[in-house]
Amino acid sequence: DAKTTQPNSMESNEEEPVHLPCNHSTISGTDYIHWYRQLPSQGPEYVIHGLTSNVNNRMASLAIAEDRKSSTLILHRATLRDAAVYYCILRPSGSARQLTFGSGTQLTVLP
Amino acid sequence: DADVTQTPRNRITKTGKRIMLECSQTKGHDRMYWYRQDPGLGLRLIYYSFDVKDINKGEISDGYSVSRQAQAKFSLSLESAIPNQTALYFCATSDLVGTQETQYFGPGTRLLVL
Repeated sequence: DAKTTQPNSMESNEEEPVHLPCNHSTISGTDYIHWYRQLPSQGPEYVIHGLTSNVNNRMASLAIAEDRKSSTLILHRATLRDAAVYYCILRPSGSARQLTFGSGTQLTVLP
Repeated sequence: DADVTQTPRNRITKTGKRIMLECSQTKGHDRMYWYRQDPGLGLRLIYYSFDVKDINKGEISDGYSVSRQAQAKFSLSLESAIPNQTALYFCATSDLVGTQETQYFGPGTRLLVL
């Protein structure tokens, strides 16, 4: 399975945008890009996913590079409640495939 | 009420004891999962079930067993607990839209094996 690479940690100031990068240079054509986040003392929660086109939802935006070898999760205005570990995960197409979580990026939001 | 619940939330046990962690969901999903998380690491899949009659091993199933009693219930057992099974355990459910799924996690069970 293709692997993802994320920075171990990032910092952001409150109310500023945050761009969380993810490299996946060996991504295959049928791999979807998923993002989950894990708030302190909680289970992971789904954030967003996409295949080729940029995606927006109420939580975040996902920008996917044209060659799909990297993607960026964008939080438009970080709040203290966005402090979490963010996981970038590739999931091959096909109903029997599972999510594989890496170590993620620890986002710290500074007041 | 939470859609995915886990009991107990915290458990301390001794080496060699048998324990069961329980998971219930009200989301009506067929797919359920058990993961463990160790400090500073991501989640690793222990077992998963696509429906009541289906049980599959994940990447770290040794030392664990599961039971899918109903669509809504999926239990994880440690037949003879050992200290390196000390971890945070998460249950999850998922719905499948096309070929992609979204997983919904419970709050976790913190297990300490002495």
